Amino acid sequence: EAGVVQSPRYKIIEKKQPVAFWCNPISGHNTLYWYLQNLGQGPELLIRYENEEAVDDSQLPKDRFSAERLKGVDSTLKIQPAELGDSAVYLCASSSLLGDTQYFGPGTRLTVL
Amino acid sequence: TQLLEQSPQFLSIQEGENLTVYCNSSSVFSSLQWYRQEPGEGPVLLVTVVTGGEVKKLKRLTFQFGDARKDSSLHITAAQTGDTGLYLCAGAGYGQNFVFGPGTRLSVLP
Repeated sequence: EAGVVQSPRYKIIEKKQPVAFWCNPISGHNTLYWYLQNLGQGPELLIRYENEEAVDDSQLPKDRFSAERLKGVDSTLKIQPAELGDSAVYLCASSSLLGDTQYFGPGTRLTVL
Repeated sequence: TQLLEQSPQFLSIQEGENLTVYCNSSSVFSSLQWYRQEPGEGPVLLVTVVTGGEVKKLKRLTFQFGDARKDSSLHITAAQTGDTGLYLCAGAGYGQNFVFGPGTRLSVLP
């Protein structure tokens, strides 16, 4: 069974440019999470989806970040415009239900110059 | 907001030694998880504990959930180089998202 797939694995952009990350969760998993992980820190939740509905986006900086999961399967996280402080690893995870085991993808490492 | 602290922040030991890392909070959790994360990869779940005082063993790893469900420890016996990684704890209240601690970075030297 394929795990959580994320792309790209690495992205380098200049500040003020837009960037998008893609995540395909494990088949059948209704819950999808986007996390941000700074160097030397634990993951911080940005947004949680239950199917296509964003049920917790309280930590998503909505002035520049947006996310979608239109068909309740794969998801895209966008930053526009990127700032230097956005440099981090963006992790996607999925689970059958909230509280079930989360399976993480390998992450996308973003560097903003 | 539930905040988790982990100690030590860094730990470097020789292969064969024993070690314990800690996860503490002022909040009560309905469940607590431990993950290991290797460079360039996402965290991988090691264990979930849900009952105060619970002890779970996974080969050389022993996990304990505090009686008050506010803290936890991970003990590794006879550490191996393959145990090297970032150990993260994450706690959740009932019906809430898991919140992660900052992690303990373990290096096991040959």
